[in-house]
Amino acid sequence: NAGVTQTPKFQVLKTGQSMTLQCAQDMNHNSMYWYRQDPGMGLRLIYYSASEGTTDKGEVPNGYNVSRLNKREFSLRLESAAPSQTSVYFCASSGKGRADTQYFGPGTRLTVL
Amino acid sequence: AQSVTQLDSQVPVFEEAPVELRCNYSSSVSVYLFWYVQYPNQGLQLLLKYLSGSTLVKGINGFEAEFNKSQTSFHLRKPSVHISDTAEYFCAVRGNRGSTLGRLYFGRGTQLTVWP
Repeated sequence: NAGVTQTPKFQVLKTGQSMTLQCAQDMNHNSMYWYRQDPGMGLRLIYYSASEGTTDKGEVPNGYNVSRLNKREFSLRLESAAPSQTSVYFCASSGKGRADTQYFGPGTRLTVL
Repeated sequence: AQSVTQLDSQVPVFEEAPVELRCNYSSSVSVYLFWYVQYPNQGLQLLLKYLSGSTLVKGINGFEAEFNKSQTSFHLRKPSVHISDTAEYFCAVRGNRGSTLGRLYFGRGTQLTVWP
């Protein structure tokens, strides 16, 4: 039982390049989330998927797209990376109840030059 | 909507001393409350959560938190810290009715540093 896994762990991009961050969970969770963490800002929600086939914008969706490929996988795409997107990205998953715990992946550290 | 304020960005403390990390929240509906811990270069891990019932919640690693509805607070405490407790701690809130999104709102974090 690996929980939530993310790839890659580290990535360096040049401004304007694109990339996809991958996330997978093996806990049969319905809901999945993408957050970014910046110093002194806590975690901010980028996108959310309540169930397979649905996605919703969070607090900071601009510059990102997501795909809920199936129940296990939820990817985050940067179409044209900008230095402001330098951050640590976390994927999380949870059951569909509001009381359910969110389980986090180890994170992807992204630097955009 | 909900919001969370963690009143201290950094808390330094000596080993075996008690510690309190403060968290206040605002919400127009009743809430579920969570504390997460993040060790260096790792993801977040749940310490404890308040859903209902007893206002004193016990979590992992000897931590506990008390829900105070009148003061809209959910402070985290430990009577005696260890060096291994050095980490960043996040308070989070989630409305338990209303918005269909039901998103989790995080505070900005408190860095706890335990000195020998």
